[in-house]
Amino acid sequence: DTEVTQTPKHLVMGMTNKKSLKCEQHMGHRAMYWYKQKAKKPPELMFVYSYEKLSINESVPSRFSPECPNSSLLNLHLHALQPEDSALYLCASSDRVGTYEQYFGPGTRLTVT
Amino acid sequence: GENVEQHPSTLSVQEGDSAVIKCTYSDSASNYFPWYKQELGKGPQLIIDIRSNVGEKKDQRIAVTLNKTAKHFSLHITETQPEDSAVYFCAASPLYGNKLVFGAGTILRVKS
Repeated sequence: DTEVTQTPKHLVMGMTNKKSLKCEQHMGHRAMYWYKQKAKKPPELMFVYSYEKLSINESVPSRFSPECPNSSLLNLHLHALQPEDSALYLCASSDRVGTYEQYFGPGTRLTVT
Repeated sequence: GENVEQHPSTLSVQEGDSAVIKCTYSDSASNYFPWYKQELGKGPQLIIDIRSNVGEKKDQRIAVTLNKTAKHFSLHITETQPEDSAVYFCAASPLYGNKLVFGAGTILRVKS
């Protein structure tokens, strides 16, 4: 089973709201990723967690705050977002960081009003 | 850093024909090359990948070829079907690298 699940599927939030995106995998993978994807563009890497520790932050604004509570879960906390942050947010996982297959979830479609 | 170029940006083929999408990469240290298919409203799905110690890999109707000397790799889909219509992304990752660098994507339309 190569399933990565994400909730919610859709999210609409105002610029003053605080919300969280959730991601879960049960493949025993030790690397998890957050990507942002704008329409008609490839995914852009935001964060990488390896063995539950943040290993890469691609200079993402602090209004995005990742959290990895355990090896199966990954959260992305959102606060004071801007309309340009509206996008599809994708979670992925792989056995380990490095040249291992990454499996993506279905994404959360975020709209910031 | 690594840069991946992908062509064409759109490709229309008749059902049953073959489709070929090409990518070139800049970093000769890259050694892992996956291909993803993304349907509307869904996340990217890994459909095939190849490592630099292999020149070609096949899985039913899809195949990937790699030319390390020229630094390019290609996705081949034979006997295309309407359900092959999607956006396809290539990517590259360097040895001991920890992230994928994606191409810009190709919109494939299979006309029935």
